[in-house]
Amino acid sequence: DTEVTQTPKHLVMGMTNKKSLKCEQHMGHRAMYWYKQKAKKPPELMFVYSYEKLSINESVPSRFSPECPNSSLLNLHLHALQPEDSALYLCASSQDLIPNWRRPGNTIYFGEGSWLTVV
Amino acid sequence: EDQVTQSPEALRLQEGESSSLNCSYTVSGLRGLFWYRQDPGKGPEFLFTLYSAGEEKEKERLKATLTKKESFLHITAPKPEDSATYLCAVQAGGDSGYSTLTFGKGTMLLVSP
Repeated sequence: DTEVTQTPKHLVMGMTNKKSLKCEQHMGHRAMYWYKQKAKKPPELMFVYSYEKLSINESVPSRFSPECPNSSLLNLHLHALQPEDSALYLCASSQDLIPNWRRPGNTIYFGEGSWLTVV
Repeated sequence: EDQVTQSPEALRLQEGESSSLNCSYTVSGLRGLFWYRQDPGKGPEFLFTLYSAGEEKEKERLKATLTKKESFLHITAPKPEDSATYLCAVQAGGDSGYSTLTFGKGTMLLVSP
């Protein structure tokens, strides 16, 4: 069972709405991620937080606004979205963003995702 | 630029018919190669991490292997419940020191009873 919990599982919003996606993990991980996945495509990285600071923003439009209130929580605030933003939004976490010699790679664990439909 | 290519794109097997999925990669400074399983409408489920050539890992009917250029996911005597999309991803060092994932496009596996 995944230990990354995402809410809501499904969200339908209009183009003028403001909504938020929420993510929580209790594995003590210090890196948290937002990915976007369209049908039959692999996940695409949007944002990465490391130790509660935004470390990577993959040139995501400002209508997506991430927030990391603490080391266990990650939010994605949505405003003025377009229909083409409809997708599965995945939250993920890993021990660290930068591996060290004790742990050459970081396994990234994903949540079940939030299905977003923009109408 | 890191590249990951998975083949075949889709694979249909009969129950009990063993086969392999391929993931070839081009990356500078491989830190890890990851296999995930993804069911329709759900997030990717972690299966294996492989760090160095020659490494092998097993879980039930699945066995993952790694060489310097590719990884294989062997499925022995598959069952219908093994039907899913299998994603391969690599994690490289990068100039920034950050290690994010580069995904392949996935192999959609369908196992018929």
